[in-house]
Amino acid sequence: DGGITQSPKYLFRKEGQNVTLSCEQNLNHDAMYWYRQDPGQGLRLIYYSQIVNDFQKGDIAEGYSVSREKKESFPLTVTSAQKNPTAFYLCASSPSGGQMNTEAFFGQGTRLTVV
Amino acid sequence: QQQVKQSPQSLIVQKGGISIINCAYENTAFDYFPWYQQFPGKGPALLIAIRPDVSEKKEGRFTISFNKSAKQFSLHIMDSQPGDSATYFCAASGVFGSARQLTFGSGTQLTVLP
Repeated sequence: DGGITQSPKYLFRKEGQNVTLSCEQNLNHDAMYWYRQDPGQGLRLIYYSQIVNDFQKGDIAEGYSVSREKKESFPLTVTSAQKNPTAFYLCASSPSGGQMNTEAFFGQGTRLTVV
Repeated sequence: QQQVKQSPQSLIVQKGGISIINCAYENTAFDYFPWYQQFPGKGPALLIAIRPDVSEKKEGRFTISFNKSAKQFSLHIMDSQPGDSATYFCAASGVFGSARQLTFGSGTQLTVLP
């Protein structure tokens, strides 16, 4: 089955730790995105990548880092610099970042909790 | 600006009623307007989408109405069912700089009472 796989589904982080969220897609999509979802605030863009080895900051990139070494993978690292990391994180992909009418497909999300 | 404003934040409708969710935008660079449906603990999934050269699009019980001059668009769910209970996000897509971005509204939590 084609789709986007996020792992783990639940993740617990201690204060001061870095954690990495995995996102893999087998849809052969060029563009990939990371969003953060908080209650009542919708989805906010953290980082996005239009092509391998290139990525851009979104609206709330501080405290996060990404890499895009392979077309199918776009991992997100939540660093200790992110002061309020508890949230639901969603990864998405689309066929091409530049085309109109391109649907974004989402993974099932990772719920990160700071303990 | 790239913001999309969505209202109401929550909506309760009786089974069989009409659910209406409204969104507004400012930036005319947006050229594609999808709606997403999200169930608890799941990722959003595309429900229906419209381009600004069309004033209305209907798919089954779901209709998007688009007012380009007012920069507003809305989702109408006819004959609402309990299974429609979910969070709905409007979104606007446009090219900013060299990349296409998708900006979401803040979401509407819809509850359809049986």
